[in-house]
Amino acid sequence: GAVVSQHPSRVICKSGTSVKIECRSLDFQATTMFWYRQFPKQSLMLMATSNEGSKATYEQGVEKDKFLINHASLTLSTLTVTSAHPEDSSFYICSARNSGGIGGYTFGSGTRLTVV
Amino acid sequence: QQQVKQSPQSLIVQKGGISIINCAYENTAFDYFPWYQQFPGKGPALLIAIRPDVSEKKEGRFTISFNKSAKQFSLHIMDSQPGDSATYFCAASRVNDMRFGAGTRLTVKP
Repeated sequence: GAVVSQHPSRVICKSGTSVKIECRSLDFQATTMFWYRQFPKQSLMLMATSNEGSKATYEQGVEKDKFLINHASLTLSTLTVTSAHPEDSSFYICSARNSGGIGGYTFGSGTRLTVV
Repeated sequence: QQQVKQSPQSLIVQKGGISIINCAYENTAFDYFPWYQQFPGKGPALLIAIRPDVSEKKEGRFTISFNKSAKQFSLHIMDSQPGDSATYFCAASRVNDMRFGAGTRLTVKP
């Protein structure tokens, strides 16, 4: 089945630094990937839609200059949290839709970001 | 942002009982309705999904009931087990757009 690998699973960084999270589709090509943010005991909130070879589409209220998304290939999307602050601490999850599939989205295992 | 309403927020069921979680959506453009199971610290995993041209889908102990006219769908977990204790999210999607319900924290007591 479709597998999405997300790395790292956990990261602790100092306030003011940047952190890059990778999302890879291992056995399929994904022209579109999605980045979600999840606070404790809450649902997944869509942050942005990452499109291969073009600019990402950000949801309202998400700072595009703070959350940089790059989708350079059909199997890799990256989310960079720039100048991270403690309020950016959260669980970030990516997902991808199999380009040849119907409906199904596969999720990565998530990245727990803690900014100290 | 949340276009899918899910209830209840939390649910406690005895082992062997039936767990029922309900969802409702507004946008009739959605054409795929999956349920995801999430354990703490992990990403969501697809449990079962249905399309609006079907009123019910069953996979093992998990059944989705879908009411297109009411724009509602539900997840039934038969013979609930302690290992089913997790957070369940319903979702509604169309091409390149998936929206989640708020989630239901299910606890199955032994």
